[in-house]
Amino acid sequence: AQSVAQPEDQVNVAEGNPLTVKCTYSVSGNPYLFWYVQYPNRGLQFLLKYITGDNLVKGSYGFEAEFNKSQTSFHLKKPSALVSDSALYFCAVRILSGGYNKLIFGAGTRLAVHP
Amino acid sequence: EPEVTQTPSHQVTQMGQEVILRCVPISNHLYFYWYRQILGQKVEFLVSFYNNEISEKSEIFDDQFSVERPDGSNFTLKIRSTKLEDSAMYFCASNREPPYEQYFGPGTRLTVT
Repeated sequence: AQSVAQPEDQVNVAEGNPLTVKCTYSVSGNPYLFWYVQYPNRGLQFLLKYITGDNLVKGSYGFEAEFNKSQTSFHLKKPSALVSDSALYFCAVRILSGGYNKLIFGAGTRLAVHP
Repeated sequence: EPEVTQTPSHQVTQMGQEVILRCVPISNHLYFYWYRQILGQKVEFLVSFYNNEISEKSEIFDDQFSVERPDGSNFTLKIRSTKLEDSAMYFCASNREPPYEQYFGPGTRLTVT
């Protein structure tokens, strides 16, 4: 079955330290991968995507993600965390079905950045 | 920057009542979606819509649900007879075409009592 896993419910990091939020996927064919962030009482904001090309993808707010085909992972990273990065992060994979697409989301990882 | 909008932000309804959730997708987008997020759970796909018809729907999207694009700008989700378990945050999304990223609205919190 096609799926996305985020193995950590919560990640805690001190401000200024690097952060990593993990994501692994299982899909047939070439994966199209996305990261979204959700702030309290807000919708999902697009951060970045991997479709093809360079394995290191850069996105909004200084975030980047590394696509690793052999490990079927797409971990989200940031070199220096900010308190304002505290939010819920979702990894998603596009499932292609009959020429149309839908997103399958992971369960989400809550990132807490402490001053 | 254009964005997806949704109304209302919060809807409270009694079990068995009909509700209509409204969305205005980004104007040049052609593909539209509804997702839902039950409190504390993951975001789940409900339905996708293109060229005035449903292109795919999940098993959650049963006969009680319907979608419509009544004019050139709105995209609606109707739940005919709400159940307690329909209580969730409902997100509308749109994109220009696959496989590009979908842009999500702020959501409508539906509370069924």
